[in-house]
Amino acid sequence: KQEVTQIPAALSVPEGENLVLNCSFTDSAIYNLQWFRQDPGKGLTSLLLIQSSQREQTSGRLNASLDKSSGRSTLYIAASQPGDSATYLCAVTGNQGGKLIFGQGTELSVKP
Amino acid sequence: NAGVTQTPKFRILKIGQSMTLQCAQDMNHNYMYWYRQDPGMGLKLIYYSVGAGITDKGEVPNGYNVSRSTTEDFPLRLELAAPSQTSVYFCASLGGGQNTIYFGEGSWLTVV
Repeated sequence: KQEVTQIPAALSVPEGENLVLNCSFTDSAIYNLQWFRQDPGKGLTSLLLIQSSQREQTSGRLNASLDKSSGRSTLYIAASQPGDSATYLCAVTGNQGGKLIFGQGTELSVKP
Repeated sequence: NAGVTQTPKFRILKIGQSMTLQCAQDMNHNYMYWYRQDPGMGLKLIYYSVGAGITDKGEVPNGYNVSRSTTEDFPLRLELAAPSQTSVYFCASLGGGQNTIYFGEGSWLTVV
């Protein structure tokens, strides 16, 4: 059974700092991994998608890496801003049946 | 292009009542999902569907039923509402060349 874990559960940093969010998964037989952002009381917005054959994806100040063999992904946020404050979730899609399994999320707070 | 549409957005149910959460997508996606999110937690998969006429259980299916008679619609039914089903429910669909997942805006359900 696939399990996805995110560490830390919450993170508070001063504005301008670079930071890393971690995601680990127990079954390396994945089709892809996605990172999402969720603002309070809102739905989820997809940030980055990494196919199983890829090592990383970049979008602006965000960079996500994937190490399938060790079951780990990181989301790197450069030069953090207060507007980055949100909950970040990672999710993996299995090879069979398209099930998307989520981690519990990391709540990020960027202080001005 | 409306994406994924969920109704209702808010609902209060009494214990033992039944209701259906509606979900529709206009992107011709085969994969559709229902998730629930409890406060401070990640998303738990309730049911999913890989195409019309095909559904399967996720991580937390008890107390729910689904059907997928068309590609567009994927309703979630609660037969005998219980306080433990108080949660935010998200519908999602997955497809396209990049296998991007799209979420609805959520349905806030309270069972009293």
